[in-house]
Amino acid sequence: DTGVSQNPRHKITKRGQNVTFRCDPISEHNRLYWYRQTLGQGPEFLTYFQNEAQLEKSRLLSDRFSAERPKGSFSTLEIQRTEQGDSAMYLCASRSGGGFSTDTQYFGPGTRLTVL
Amino acid sequence: AQTVTQSQPEMSVQEAETVTLSCTYDTSESDYYLFWYKQPPSRQMILVIRQEAYKQQNATENRFSVNFQKAAKSFSLKISDSQLGDAAMYFCAYGVTSGSRLTFGEGTQLTVNP
Repeated sequence: DTGVSQNPRHKITKRGQNVTFRCDPISEHNRLYWYRQTLGQGPEFLTYFQNEAQLEKSRLLSDRFSAERPKGSFSTLEIQRTEQGDSAMYLCASRSGGGFSTDTQYFGPGTRLTVL
Repeated sequence: AQTVTQSQPEMSVQEAETVTLSCTYDTSESDYYLFWYKQPPSRQMILVIRQEAYKQQNATENRFSVNFQKAAKSFSLKISDSQLGDAAMYFCAYGVTSGSRLTFGEGTQLTVNP
């Protein structure tokens, strides 16, 4: 399978704990995105990488959130001191750069976070 | 700021019939992309169809087609010969050509009745 993969698929944690999610993009894609989706809503943009550089962050990304893409391949999203309001599906997407024909983001299956 | 609005939270269609999902957007950009994504109950988002704003011709992918009205900032999705597998949440999304993010609408839950 050469699609976007995310791990874990489900995470249950207690309030105050730290959690980390991983995203592996499609191998030739240099752009990687994180979105958050709450139940019954459309995804909301969190942050974006081009290779290893984090180029944009949403105001939704509070200082408890940090994302990395150290070698320009996989990415991690960490949430520190989780709150119940962090419960959501976290989606990762990737796309290749350059050229109109490549401006499509391909999504992974998501990580569902439940904070108790 | 760009916004995307889907005014139909739920739609239903009989199998083999045609259904149209509505989407409007607001932007000051002249060059951009529009997308329809499908999210089945398994929740993996799948691209259905995309439209480049500079193209006047409406995009078509098999049973899926769009009606892109740039002046009206409208981008509707028509599904012909609906199938049970079309049942899903459909999201309209906007992306600036050289930008980084997609802006999604609230979604339309499509039910296909046998």
